[in-house]
Amino acid sequence: DTAVSQTPKYLVTQMGNDKSIKCEQNLGHDTMYWYKQDSKKFLKIMFSYNNKELIINETVPNRFSPKSPDKAHLNLHINSLELGDSAVYFCASSQGGGGYTFGSGTRLTVV
Amino acid sequence: GESVGLHLPTLSVQEGDNSIINCAYSNSASDYFIWYKQESGKGPQFIIDIRSNMDKRQGQRVTVLLNKTVKHLSLQIAATQPGDSAVYFCAERLGGGKLIFGQGTELSVKP
Repeated sequence: DTAVSQTPKYLVTQMGNDKSIKCEQNLGHDTMYWYKQDSKKFLKIMFSYNNKELIINETVPNRFSPKSPDKAHLNLHINSLELGDSAVYFCASSQGGGGYTFGSGTRLTVV
Repeated sequence: GESVGLHLPTLSVQEGDNSIINCAYSNSASDYFIWYKQESGKGPQFIIDIRSNMDKRQGQRVTVLLNKTVKHLSLQIAATQPGDSAVYFCAERLGGGKLIFGQGTELSVKP
């Protein structure tokens, strides 16, 4: 069983579209995260949820809206996609402030 | 902070040699540090961690050294193998559990 799973793995879409990326973890962790990795491999935190409550929101455009229906799921919805949104998006989870377990990533390409 | 380099730092070693990957972290209040390995097309994977009250921790073929005086972290890999080829990230944990990643170093192992 995959611990942190993201779908889709690849997403190609046109500018202006709205898209969602889903994430699920089966580790029983209480905190989930979204990170963005740019073309230089730099990983930057976007959001963090603890037990469905938003606890970290890093100066991310409000076109990005995370949603956590329960503590095992954290989805990312992006409105009005722009070319600069092209990146790899990683979901992660952790328990008690320990090390994070990452998903395998979603490569988003906006054309 | 953001990555400032145009290219990912790279380290090339011969198979069987030892590798040392260095990292400078930014926040003297960080209490926990982790090294991650990211292979092509995958998410970051936990390698080893160290708490700020320690200066050395060993795992299987890997050792992490922490120098809080100069805010420096290093990862030593003994008898490097082709399967160790990947991008390696150090990460520091700030207050609130937020994990901040360093720039990353690409390790290339020559057979």
